[in-house]
Amino acid sequence: GENVEQHPSTLSVQEGDSAVIKCTYSDSASNYFPWYKQELGKGPQLIIDIRSNVGEKKDQRIAVTLNKTAKHFSLHITETQPEDSAVYFCAAVYFSNNDMRFGAGTRLTVKP
Amino acid sequence: KAGVTQTPRYLIKTRGQQVTLSCSPISGHRSVSWYQQTPGQGLQFLFEYFSETQRNKGNFPGRFSGRQFSNSRSEMNVSTLELGDSALYLCASSQNPGDEKLFFGSGTQLSVL
Repeated sequence: GENVEQHPSTLSVQEGDSAVIKCTYSDSASNYFPWYKQELGKGPQLIIDIRSNVGEKKDQRIAVTLNKTAKHFSLHITETQPEDSAVYFCAAVYFSNNDMRFGAGTRLTVKP
Repeated sequence: KAGVTQTPRYLIKTRGQQVTLSCSPISGHRSVSWYQQTPGQGLQFLFEYFSETQRNKGNFPGRFSGRQFSNSRSEMNVSTLELGDSALYLCASSQNPGDEKLFFGSGTQLSVL
């Protein structure tokens, strides 16, 4: 089955700096890669996603890149703000059975 | 449109007891999935329901079960609770099975003493 590894487990940045979180996946047949943000006391919320036929996608301060050859994808947050502080999860979906596997999560802290 | 609603928000049980958790999906969403979230194991898939039928099941023992009603609301049950069952149980809904975009509720925090 699919295995997703996520790094780093914790990340602390200064407000205004950029943050990058990286994930690797094992199954080359995975074709959908969402990123979720989980704030304290809440469930994960989808913030951006990318499909295997696209190399990069941006939404304001958030971007995701995908390297299918290397089987890794990354989340980039620019101009970080304190409200970006949360746990971020990557996931990979194996297309044939819609099996979604999550990374272990990255706790991002943005210091004012 | 209201989001995914999970009740109760918190539960405290003792070993050996059983528990039932409830999930109401977003209006119009017909597929419901359940996940267990723990600090050590992260988010792990329990099962998915659509049209009152279980479509997929994760690698959990038979003590974990679920069901879905005709209005798409879902319940999950854990029998003979163990200390290791302490976790945040998350429900997610999507419009149809196979839709990759999941919408999560805030979860039920279960503590087993």
